[in-house]
Amino acid sequence: EIVMTQSPATLSVSPGERATLSCRASQSVSSNLAWYQQKPGQAPRLLIYGASTRATGIPARFSGSGSGTEFTLTISSLQSEDFAVYYCQQYHNWPPWTFGQGTKLEIK
Amino acid sequence: EVQLVESGGGLVKPGRSLRLSCTTSGFTFGDYAVSWFRQAPGKGLEWVGFIRSKAYTGTTDYAASVKGRFTISRDDSKSIAYLQMDSLKIDDTAVYYCTRGTRTAVAGVKYYFDYWGQGTLVTVSS
Repeated sequence: EIVMTQSPATLSVSPGERATLSCRASQSVSSNLAWYQQKPGQAPRLLIYGASTRATGIPARFSGSGSGTEFTLTISSLQSEDFAVYYCQQYHNWPPWTFGQGTKLEIK
Repeated sequence: EVQLVESGGGLVKPGRSLRLSCTTSGFTFGDYAVSWFRQAPGKGLEWVGFIRSKAYTGTTDYAASVKGRFTISRDDSKSIAYLQMDSLKIDDTAVYYCTRGTRTAVAGVKYYFDYWGQGTLVTVSS
């Protein structure tokens, strides 16, 4: 089973600034990596798949990069609606599909 | 508009059964895989089980924690997927989400999950 590790656990950033979230896989997942956003009381929403492809309707301020074992989600200019928990998930070796433990992005 | 709506959650005693439904619309259900995930209160996301489309065998996979107790099925004529949960344990308490699995085959067969339902809460307690 591939273990996904996200850092930091909590990130405090001011609106309008850039946020950079990290995700590491215990072995290579190639580019088979997705990022999700989850707000309180809501379902996760797919932001990025294929490590860098934005899902339908996702604003251009969200970008993903990386391959192999190291991945980054960047939000270029934080809006109030972006403060949420973010999860990475690998879909390279399945089953199981595995998630990181999440990064909580909070307002500074 | 793609929609998935879970139903059937509730309070159940340990050892009892519950069946969740995932009613879908806005896409050709039979062309897609479906996966169930869950999230215990205040915790992260956990994969529960998966069913392929019938074009790709319609077979299932399960997480080790639920194998032998949970069963996923699908009714393509109704665009509904089901999660039958038997021998429920307290640790099964969670919000359960159904998702649409999109298949890619660029370098091996992979599935990612692009649409999620709003979830249904299952509470296992005596």
